[in-house]
Parts: sequence; C-alpha cells; structure tokens
Amino acid sequence: AQSVTQLDSQVPVFEEAPVELRCNYSSSVSVYLFWYVQYPNQGLQLLLKYLSGSTLVKGINGFEAEFNKSQTSFHLRKPSVHISDTAEYFCAVSDWDTGNQFYFGTGTSLTVIP
Amino acid sequence: EAQVTQNPRYLITVTGKKLTVTCSQNMNHEYMSWYRQDPGLGLRQIYYSMNVEVTDKGDVPEGYKVSRKEKRNFPLILESPSPNQTSLYFCASSWSGREAFFGQGTRLTVV
Repeated sequence: AQSVTQLDSQVPVFEEAPVELRCNYSSSVSVYLFWYVQYPNQGLQLLLKYLSGSTLVKGINGFEAEFNKSQTSFHLRKPSVHISDTAEYFCAVSDWDTGNQFYFGTGTSLTVIP
Repeated sequence: EAQVTQNPRYLITVTGKKLTVTCSQNMNHEYMSWYRQDPGLGLRQIYYSMNVEVTDKGDVPEGYKVSRKEKRNFPLILESPSPNQTSLYFCASSWSGREAFFGQGTRLTVV
C-alpha cells in the first residue's frame, strides 16, 4: 500500500508571498497524483491532477505542481498567495497496483496573513 | 450536473441508536468509498467498494457497515454509534482512479 506524507502540517505565509506545500509518496510505480483543497466548512475540491504527460501540472486559482518521479514528490506551489487561499490542502495518490485505491496525506493548513 | 450527494449534512444522535448516512452518485462510477476526517489525522478510509456487491475494509472499519446493492448508492451504517465516532464523514466516487469526486460531508455528533 501507498503512504502519502505531507511534511508540513501548518504553513503561515504573508499575502502576496510565494508558497510551497510539500508532498512525498512511497512508491512511484503506476500512480496518479492529486491535490485537493478544503475551504472552511466545505467539502474537498480538486485543485489539480497528474495522470500522464508533462510533469508540470497547472490547476485552478493559480496553483501548480511538479511530479518528480525520482524523488517520489508532488509539491504544490503558488507564486503569490491571496487571503482567499487560506484552507486545508490534501495531497492524494491513486495506485493502479491496488485497483486505483486513493491514499491521502494528513493535510496542510495554509494560513495567509494580511 | 455530476455530483455525489450525501444525506444528512448534519446529525446529532445518542449512543447506541442505529443510523444510516446515504451516499449517491450520478456518474456511473464503479468505485465508491467512505472517509472520516478528524483534526490532525487527515482523511482515513472506512470502507470502499470496487463494484456492486464488492466491498472491503479500509483503515478504520470498526463500528461501521456498508452495502453496495446498486451502482449509484453506497450507504454507511452505524449499528450502535459511540462518541468516538463523532466526526466529519465524506463519501467519494471515482472512475479508474483518475479523480475522486466528494460529497459535501456529513457532520455527525454522538452524545
């Protein structure tokens, strides 16, 4: 089974500063990769996904992530954050070898400081 | 509109009183699953289903039951709820692992 590690449980950042949320997973064989965002008192919404092709993936709200197979990482980045980006972010992996099971990290709470 | 619908959104119940949280998807997805979300623990999988009549335990199945009699529905059953099952629950569906679609969540409080 996969394990997904989000290295930072909380990330405070000033408005308009860049941010990187880190995600590592345990096996690089046959996976799809995702970032989901959860705004306060809401469900989970897909930010972006990597299925195949270019390793740099662009998502909604100006976020992007890069798939690094050798380092088994899928870090999320945004060059300039806004107050509205304050939310919980979850990295997830779908593993072909286990019938496309989804595995989630424990989440990173991003707080944007005015 | 493609969606996963959970009901109820909020539920307060007493210890030991059986309850069911319903989940329905309109995307003809084969894979469905239930998660609970607790502070600091992220999303933990309770049960999942690869297809009709095929269900399996996730990471935290104790105290829960599920059934998958139809492709679109995947109810979560708590036969005898206890306070440690107070949590935020999410249902999700997926096709071939390409994206998980989530319901809006059910906030359950067991007193």
